Amino acid sequence: NAGVTQTPKFQVLKTGQSMTLQCAQDMNHEYMSWYRQDPGMGLRLIHYSVGAGITDQGEVPNGYNVSRSTTEDFPLRLLSAAPSQTSVYFCASSYRHTGSPGPIYRYGYTFGSGTRLTVV
Amino acid sequence: GENVEQHPSTLSVQEGDSAVIKCTYSDSASNYFPWYKQELGKGPQLIIDIRSNVGEKKDQRIAVTLNKTAKHFSLHITETQPEDSAVYFCAASRKSGGSYIPTFGRGTSLIVHP
Repeated sequence: NAGVTQTPKFQVLKTGQSMTLQCAQDMNHEYMSWYRQDPGMGLRLIHYSVGAGITDQGEVPNGYNVSRSTTEDFPLRLLSAAPSQTSVYFCASSYRHTGSPGPIYRYGYTFGSGTRLTVV
Repeated sequence: GENVEQHPSTLSVQEGDSAVIKCTYSDSASNYFPWYKQELGKGPQLIIDIRSNVGEKKDQRIAVTLNKTAKHFSLHITETQPEDSAVYFCAASRKSGGSYIPTFGRGTSLIVHP
């Protein structure tokens, strides 16, 4: 039972380069999201998806693209890397919380182990 | 949108003492409040959660309380141990586009001294 798998764990990019951070989950979760974590800023939502083919912007979406072609995968693309995108990136998934009654444990997030990205 | 404030940002206690972390939220429609523990170099892990129709929930040495009227909720850790040292995040889930999306607090770094 792998949970949420993120690759790579570490990456160094030069300014202007593009890359894709991979995220895959094997729990059949409808909801997937990407967060960035910066010192003193907590976890800030970049993009999220409530199901295959559906994506939406979070709090800090600029400079990032996502797509959700399958339930399992939710890649995050950096279009043209900037030093301000130096951060630790986390992918998370959960069952979709629609407000309907259900087991409480179904709504908690499962996080990946993170990708530490440095843009020089 | 939702705004979650978390205090304190750093908490230092002696082993065996209790630790309390407090969060406030702004959106009265939020109805799910999870807490996550993040150990160094790892992703956050769900440790306990509470729904808005419940005032308190306990799981061994940890407990959460929720005051919907005042819009605040707290994490209580009793008999702290060095392995409790980590960053703790609270979150409040608000409805957005048909789904409930969590907003996280900025985190509390808990240090338990042996």
